[in-house]
Amino acid sequence: AQSVAQPEDQVNVAEGNPLTVKCTYSVSGNPYLFWYVQYPNRGLQFLLKYITGDNLVKGSYGFEAEFNKSQTSFHLKKPSALVSDSALYFCAVRDISGNTPLVFGKGTRLSVIA
Amino acid sequence: GAVVSQHPSWVICKSGTSVKIECRSLDFQATTMFWYRQFPKQSLMLMATSNEGSKATYEQGVEKDKFLINHASLTLSTLTVTSAHPEDSSFYICSARALRGDTEAFFGQGTRLTVV
Repeated sequence: AQSVAQPEDQVNVAEGNPLTVKCTYSVSGNPYLFWYVQYPNRGLQFLLKYITGDNLVKGSYGFEAEFNKSQTSFHLKKPSALVSDSALYFCAVRDISGNTPLVFGKGTRLSVIA
Repeated sequence: GAVVSQHPSWVICKSGTSVKIECRSLDFQATTMFWYRQFPKQSLMLMATSNEGSKATYEQGVEKDKFLINHASLTLSTLTVTSAHPEDSSFYICSARALRGDTEAFFGQGTRLTVV
């Protein structure tokens, strides 16, 4: 069974500071990993994904994430946070085998304070 | 990226009525569509998976007679909430994948359903 853990319900960071949103996963095989952002009453916006290759993945809006197989983690990072980054962030995973759906973490609310 | 259009974006209906939500892939053919439900301040929970031309596969605890899913074409899937009740009020999001085993699925903008 696949699962995703986002250990923090809320992350607060000052504007201009680096941010990290944590994610760990569990799959039986090799994972596809994703990060999405959601603004109030909106759908999901894709940020980035890890499929294969370099462990450091760069995505939209200056976000990046590092795949760490030994720690089964895929933390989302940004060097300098913006107030407009304040939103709900979801980590998701699926096994690469088969036509499986994405399994989402519970989400982490990021607040960037000016 | 590929575009998935979900309609309506919000709907208010009376208890006991049925509501249909449409999910369309605009620039690709979606062999598989997923329907998720999101309660306030919670994550997305998978309701069902549908492959074009086949019956949907529902997750445990999801009533298939209440949440009717149709995926009759490669560009359209519908979710009908039958005899809606206030506890069905939620945010529903569809997701479409182009090919079986394709890495990514694309999401609609979601539908906010409020049953009064």
